[in-house]
Amino acid sequence: EVQLVESGGGLVQPGGSLRLSCAASGFTFSSYWMSWVRQAPGKGLEWVANIKQDGSEKYYVDSVKGRFTISRDNAKNSLYLQMNSLRAEDTAVYYCARIWFGAYFDYWGQGTLVTVSS
Amino acid sequence: QSALTQPASVSGSPGQSITISCTGTSSDVGGYNYVSWYQQHPGKAPKLMIYDVSNRPSGVSNRFSGSKSGNTASLTISGLQAEDEADYYCSSYTSSSTQVFGTGTKVTVL
Repeated sequence: EVQLVESGGGLVQPGGSLRLSCAASGFTFSSYWMSWVRQAPGKGLEWVANIKQDGSEKYYVDSVKGRFTISRDNAKNSLYLQMNSLRAEDTAVYYCARIWFGAYFDYWGQGTLVTVSS
Repeated sequence: QSALTQPASVSGSPGQSITISCTGTSSDVGGYNYVSWYQQHPGKAPKLMIYDVSNRPSGVSNRFSGSKSGNTASLTISGLQAEDEADYYCSSYTSSSTQVFGTGTKVTVL
């Protein structure tokens, strides 16, 4: 059974940093692109970033470029999102998702809440 | 990277059919057969309902179907049931090798 479990969310001040993790199991992690998707409270889904199987390609939504970094450790079956220079508008539930070769998100984690506030 | 356009809400009575539209551009919806649809109940993670425009994952009811014409994709739910009441989002691959979601549609079963 495919499982994606996020962790690392919490309350952080504006300008601060946070690192999200996603532990994957039930599939060959190194064979799939992975993604982060977020959802602000009461708002819609927003794609944040993708990373290729070997980490050689990474893509970001414009609003996080230069501030967020997606990475992975295939030996640990883990996906990460390093978030720096956080802003109030980054407040959201962040979902880890498996993405089928860039086309669609077939499995999702339960999400982790990031709150940026002073 | 503008969001795809969906109606804010759609409603129908049990047993009826409803259709949700998802309008993009030739750089996303119109340019690729990589449109997918997601169902999200309150407080839950999204669930894949349709992929590659019209394909259903295993376990998804055949009451859900997808199609595309030009820059607009559509999700149809036939035989509407109370459990279908949820938020629905479309998504598309883009020419920038990224993804974009729709604005979301709240489906209400009357």
